[in-house]
Amino acid sequence: QKEVEQNSGPLSVPEGAIASLNCTYSDRGSQSFFWYRQYSGKSPELIMFIYSNGDKEDGRFTAQLNKASQYVSLLIRDSQPSDSATYLCAVRSSYNTDKLIFGTGTRLQVFP
Amino acid sequence: DGGITQSPKYLFRKEGQNVTLSCEQNLNHDAMYWYRQDPGQGLRLIYYSQIVNDFQKGDIAEGYSVSREKKESFPLTVTSAQKNPTAFYLCASSARRGTGQPQHFGDGTRLSIL
Repeated sequence: QKEVEQNSGPLSVPEGAIASLNCTYSDRGSQSFFWYRQYSGKSPELIMFIYSNGDKEDGRFTAQLNKASQYVSLLIRDSQPSDSATYLCAVRSSYNTDKLIFGTGTRLQVFP
Repeated sequence: DGGITQSPKYLFRKEGQNVTLSCEQNLNHDAMYWYRQDPGQGLRLIYYSQIVNDFQKGDIAEGYSVSREKKESFPLTVTSAQKNPTAFYLCASSARRGTGQPQHFGDGTRLSIL
């Protein structure tokens, strides 16, 4: 089992729809979770982080965390073509809190 | 503007050659990291440093070396021992250790073999 799992996609949604990106992790003691957006050929850009169970909203983005199910998700409301990118989920290791464990990313395509 | 600067943007390595990738940050961050990204794979940690003059191996340190002589700088050397160096190399930094702060990335260096 991979430490951080994401569906590679592509996830295709129409403009204006809600995109739902999911991530599961194996380290039950993890306390910090991050979502990065990476455009093709560019470096990852932090868009959300969440530490507590529940929802955290920032503009069109909502991160959801369920530690009991070891599940973190990112919702993008009113998706725009400019949201088309790969979204990386990262989890801070509880064994070595200096380390982030990254998933391989989900590619999102938003079509007009 | 505060940020992380990586140079060069593109780098070519000849057989048997060592090359050094630069990473400088002016965010006053304590921690710095080097990752490697290959197509279809997640980011893999090469080395990281939490304080000056100290660094630790990540998951794929073989064939790489680093130094941390200044808080602002964390250069990565890809040695000739790294047989498959072609990848996208990313430097990141984060604030004080143990605070749970996120990592922020530079623009990356693409390394290829000539």
